[in-house]
Amino acid sequence: DAKTTQPPSMDCAEGRAANLPCNHSTISGNEYVYWYRQIHSQGPQYIIHGLKNNETNEMASLIITEDRKSSTLILPHATLRDTAVYYCIVRVDLGGYNKLIFGAGTRLAVHP
Amino acid sequence: EPEVTQTPSHQVTQMGQEVILRCVPISNHLYFYWYRQILGQKVEFLVSFYNNEISEKSEIFDDQFSVERPDGSNFTLKIRSTKLEDSAMYFCASNQGGSGANVLTFGAGSRLTVL
Repeated sequence: DAKTTQPPSMDCAEGRAANLPCNHSTISGNEYVYWYRQIHSQGPQYIIHGLKNNETNEMASLIITEDRKSSTLILPHATLRDTAVYYCIVRVDLGGYNKLIFGAGTRLAVHP
Repeated sequence: EPEVTQTPSHQVTQMGQEVILRCVPISNHLYFYWYRQILGQKVEFLVSFYNNEISEKSEIFDDQFSVERPDGSNFTLKIRSTKLEDSAMYFCASNQGGSGANVLTFGAGSRLTVL
């Protein structure tokens, strides 16, 4: 699986958009980009994933560059409850087995 | 929304004791995983389980660890003789398998404290 690079920490004001970058310059054609987050010591929570196209769901948007070497997770209106560690994970979708390897992630602090 | 349930939420044990952590994955899921997270460190993969057998295990998952799906609903992690360094949060996860999205759903975790 391709390696990812994320900034260790970011700040965001409540109500503003939080844009979390991820670099995955060695990604291969069949690898998906997954985003999870971990609030305090809770279990990781799935946010969104994509292959090539930009994706949006009720939680966030995922913007993947045309060359697929980087992506950005966007939380459009961050709230205090979005304070968490955000993990960008690149993984081949094997149609079944989907072991995820977590890095250090980005610690996002949303402040009033 | 379906969820992965873990028990106990917190267990305190003496070094050398056996511990069993229990998980009830989502009912139509076929792939099961255990992860652990030592305080302040990364979430680490321990083991995966499919079709009633281990499909992959990490270096952490030594002979002191075992997993079992005894009755088609529970998925357990046993630590035979706990050590101080086994103190951690243990997360169970599962996914459905098949084509399309294979999103892992994680439980809330079991905190193990070894004294």
